Amino acid sequence: GAGVSQTPSNKVTEKGKYVELRCDPISGHTALYWYRQSLGQGPEFLIYFQGTGAADDSGLPNDRFFAVRPEGSVSTLKIQRTERGDSAVYLCASSPGLGTGELFFGEGSRLTVL
Amino acid sequence: LAKTTQPISMDSYEGQEVNITCSHNNIATNDYITWYQQFPSQGPRFIIQGYKTKVTNEVASLFIPADRKSSTLSLPRVSLSDTAVYYCLVALRDTGRRALTFGSGTRLQVQP
Repeated sequence: GAGVSQTPSNKVTEKGKYVELRCDPISGHTALYWYRQSLGQGPEFLIYFQGTGAADDSGLPNDRFFAVRPEGSVSTLKIQRTERGDSAVYLCASSPGLGTGELFFGEGSRLTVL
Repeated sequence: LAKTTQPISMDSYEGQEVNITCSHNNIATNDYITWYQQFPSQGPRFIIQGYKTKVTNEVASLFIPADRKSSTLSLPRVSLSDTAVYYCLVALRDTGRRALTFGSGTRLQVQP
């Protein structure tokens, strides 16, 4: 498809488990963002990639969260030792990069930690 | 980062014009004002962006006064499908230099 694709759309896991969430951005978009959204709240910034490198990871809540984008396209958000408080919708967005203010969001991956 | 303040919620009826105002007193010279719309179970969607005066597209208009300390998103003749959360963001237009920060948004409820 032409849009941002996120998988899985839903993930239920148990506390303490490891989780990976995948984002496939729009082809050619150099900028990629991860956000987290809790019920009733606006999206909370986690990390931003320009190409393969993390240009800003100041939003990652702690060292259990890590994200990679090894080839400058697909990105994976990794959460270790999940906690119930990690339950949220994880949104990925991509952008053509420099010179535009428009982000294109995927539909998100809903993570539930039991 | 410039902080934005917007109403938590608004109600309207079909066919009416809706104006949502956002305050951003600390906007920087190089910042642009961007509005996003979000439906339940979907990611936010870009609506409109502007720097000053007025911008109009097929969806909405954006009014920005000379001091740029506020902005107003105007939705003409809303329909039920415009029920959504609307976010006002202030950031460099060049998103390659800074991440966009979302606030809590304005929940617009359109009734028949």
